[in-house]
This record gives sequence, C-alpha cells and structure tokens, in this order.
Amino acid sequence: AQTVTQSQPEMSVQEAETVTLSCTYDTSESDYYLFWYKQPPSRQMILVIRQEAYKQQNATENRFSVNFQKAAKSFSLKISDSQLGDAAMYFCAYRITQGGSEKLVFGKGTKLTVNP
Amino acid sequence: GAGVSQSPRYKVAKRGQDVALRCDPISGHVSLFWYQQALGQGPEFLTYFQNEAQLDKSGLPSDRFFAERPEGSVSTLKIQRTQQEDSAVYLCASSLRGPTWRETQYFGPGTRLLVL
Repeated sequence: AQTVTQSQPEMSVQEAETVTLSCTYDTSESDYYLFWYKQPPSRQMILVIRQEAYKQQNATENRFSVNFQKAAKSFSLKISDSQLGDAAMYFCAYRITQGGSEKLVFGKGTKLTVNP
Repeated sequence: GAGVSQSPRYKVAKRGQDVALRCDPISGHVSLFWYQQALGQGPEFLTYFQNEAQLDKSGLPSDRFFAERPEGSVSTLKIQRTQQEDSAVYLCASSLRGPTWRETQYFGPGTRLLVL
C-alpha cells in the first residue's frame, strides 16, 4: 500500500530565510504524481507544487521548489525567502490511480511557523 | 469562476442525528472527491465521483455514510446516526476531467462537524 510520511510535525523559520520540509513515500509504481499542499488556518487546501515522477527535473514555483529523489522515494519542499504568509500546515500527497478511480494519500502534515 | 464551495461551514449535531453536507464543485468539473480530516491529521479519502457515477466508495468508514451526486454537479455527503468519532472536517475537492488526465484537485474550505 502506498504511504506518505512526514517526519517533522513542526518546523519554524525566520522571515526571509530558507526552510526545507521533508517527505518520504512508499510505492511500487514507476509512474506517479506527488504534491505539496498548503493549508492555512482558514483550512482551504491550496496546491503549492506538483511533481511528475517521470520527469527528472525538479519542479519549481517561484519561491517554492522540490528535491525529488526517486530512488530514495524522497520529495522535500524548499521554501526560499520565507514570508509571514507562508505560515500554515503543509501536506505532502501521493496520487493513486486505479480501477477508474483516483485519490490522494496524504501525510500527517508539518506545521510551519514563520517568525518575524 | 468561483472555487469549490461547501456548506454549512460548521455543523454541530447531537449524537444520533443525521447530517447532510453539501459540496458545489467548480463549474464543469467532472471529478469530485470527499475527504475526512480528523484533528491534527492529514485528509483521508472517502469517495470519488465521475459525473454522477460513484466509482469508488472504498474510504467510507461505515454504512452510515452515504454520498450522492445525482446530476453530476452538486454532491451531498450524508451521515446517519452520527457518532462522536464522526467529528472531523469534511473536505470536498474537484478536478476538471477524469483520472487518466492526471489533473490537480482543487479543494473547498471544508465543513467542520462536531458531534456532541
């Protein structure tokens, strides 16, 4: 079964500095998608970044980038120049597609605090 | 256009009551998902619709949980005879097309259910 593990329940970073959130996953598939979602206190889940496993190049979205290590089954999120608005819960997720259905499997999340 | 909307945002129910939670997906989105998020946890998949067809209900925790999407747009998640363990945030998500297109899921703000 596919599982997603986020080993850091909480992280903190100073404003303008860089922080890395870790995520590992378990799968026997060779082609899959990984996601990082952000959930601010208002609770609306927002997509931060996605990575297709067949792409060797790491995805980037402005200040957000990933370090995708397929062999190690690792998918970490780097946030550069951290801003107060980055404070939120961050969830790593793996997409399962099978039998005409799809679903996301989430980790337990990392709570990120940004200190001014 | 508007994003995914859910109502009510908050629901308090007495144990044993029936509740109905509504989801309005993004207009034109084929796929619709329900997730349950317990306090301090990541979301967990409940069920998946493609248009009006419920293709996957493997995550529904018991036969007290029932979901429908009769016209392929709005969906309702119904919980009968609510129990305290049903207290959670219920998230709805939608995506434009079916699983083979591998598209992003967009989430609503959730309904926080508290069963007393």
